Amino acid sequence: NAGVTQTPKFQVLKTGQSMTLQCAQDMNHNSMYWYRQDPGMGLRLIYYSASEGTTDKGEVPNGYNVSRLNKREFSLRLESAAPSQTSVYFCASSEADRVSLNTEAFFGQGTRLTVV
Amino acid sequence: AQKVTQAQTEISVVEKEDVTLDCVYETRDTTYYLFWYKQPPSGELVFLIRRNSFDEQNEISGRYSWNFQKSTSSFNFTITASQVVDSAVYFCALSEALNYGQNFVFGPGTRLSVLP
Repeated sequence: NAGVTQTPKFQVLKTGQSMTLQCAQDMNHNSMYWYRQDPGMGLRLIYYSASEGTTDKGEVPNGYNVSRLNKREFSLRLESAAPSQTSVYFCASSEADRVSLNTEAFFGQGTRLTVV
Repeated sequence: AQKVTQAQTEISVVEKEDVTLDCVYETRDTTYYLFWYKQPPSGELVFLIRRNSFDEQNEISGRYSWNFQKSTSSFNFTITASQVVDSAVYFCALSEALNYGQNFVFGPGTRLSVLP
């Protein structure tokens, strides 16, 4: 049972480089999310997608773009990496929609990104 | 806006002690959902429990128990007879509605160390 798979697990970038974090889920979930985790701040929402073809900004979207390629896949792109984007990134999915808020999120293993 | 507070940044206990992790939340919604997640040293986020705002019954699952009190906006988590394997960061989260879906607002986490 794969659940939520995200790649890569680790990445080091130089300031100004770009990269895409990939995420796929096999649970047929409607909603997908990208969070970043920083020490002492819990997880903060970067972008989310409530359904295929829709994306919306979360709490900390600056410097990121996303693509909901299909129902399974949701990618996060850093166009010009900055040291402030050093963080652990988590992709997640849930069955939730606008009406139903009672479903838990399932998380990928995380990507530890360092920007030097 | 929704907010989750976990006042305990770090807790250390000796194996077999009981420990309670505090969670206080803020919301203007009348219907909402609360969650606890565990993040072991390996880094993944593991779902532990979901509770809706209409159900104030306490819940026990093995060594874990949860005390939900709407009057104090608290959703505390107790581990009985703690074990070394319980060492992890524990996150409390609150579900909120977004324009097109659902977000999980996380607290900053409590790092629990269980010493042998």
